[in-house]
Amino acid sequence: QSALTQPPSASGSPGQSVTISCSGTSRDVGGYNYVSWYQQHPGRAPKLIIYEVIKRPSGVPDRFSGSKSGNTASLTVSGLQAEDEADYYCSSYAGSDILVFGGGTKITVL
Amino acid sequence: EVQLVESGGGLVKPGGSLRLSCAASGINFNSAWMVWVRQAPGKWLEWVGRIKSRASGETTDYVAPVRDRFTISRDDSRNMVYLQMNSLKTEDTAIYFCTTGYIDRSAKTYHGDDAFDLWGQGTMVTVSS
Repeated sequence: QSALTQPPSASGSPGQSVTISCSGTSRDVGGYNYVSWYQQHPGRAPKLIIYEVIKRPSGVPDRFSGSKSGNTASLTVSGLQAEDEADYYCSSYAGSDILVFGGGTKITVL
Repeated sequence: EVQLVESGGGLVKPGGSLRLSCAASGINFNSAWMVWVRQAPGKWLEWVGRIKSRASGETTDYVAPVRDRFTISRDDSRNMVYLQMNSLKTEDTAIYFCTTGYIDRSAKTYHGDDAFDLWGQGTMVTVSS
């Protein structure tokens, strides 16, 4: 059982938007603005796409955006493209120098 | 070239030991906080542990299931980080990734504990009799 809860799957057609959630507690997601999101294609290492809840590393398209409300963080992918089909993982700092991940969400582009 | 390359994975029996290595190049290794993340087959990512830089005391922290069995160390002279795994269990079977924190140059902040932007390709560890 992963520490953070994500829906196992989400889907959308090209050009549409899809939003996935990441639910935690006040001890992790709700307690810190240190939520990150990663994109992972099959057989590849994860790629950082969002950090500090809403920030994007350089080179990440602005189609990817993050937000947080209470103990739940969200990732929105706008203008879906075929290459966005991948697994997405959230993570959160959980205090005491520990990091926790979500169970992952597979985004399918229909 | 900026990269992390893991090695040392393989098949080991329950109760056995294995040492993974991660070679870093193209980064300021001395100041990098190095992290190990694992992913069991078909499962999610799991933060295993982290070693801070020498300047930050080389402090190590681990996830609870490995805390008394795994040890992370580093050799700054060789740009290497290691994961010593003892008393291995079948549930330790996973791909082990080496990664390091993201440097936000505009904000002048270092995300050694919460965001990782450079990853190795991973090395597979299989614990089975």
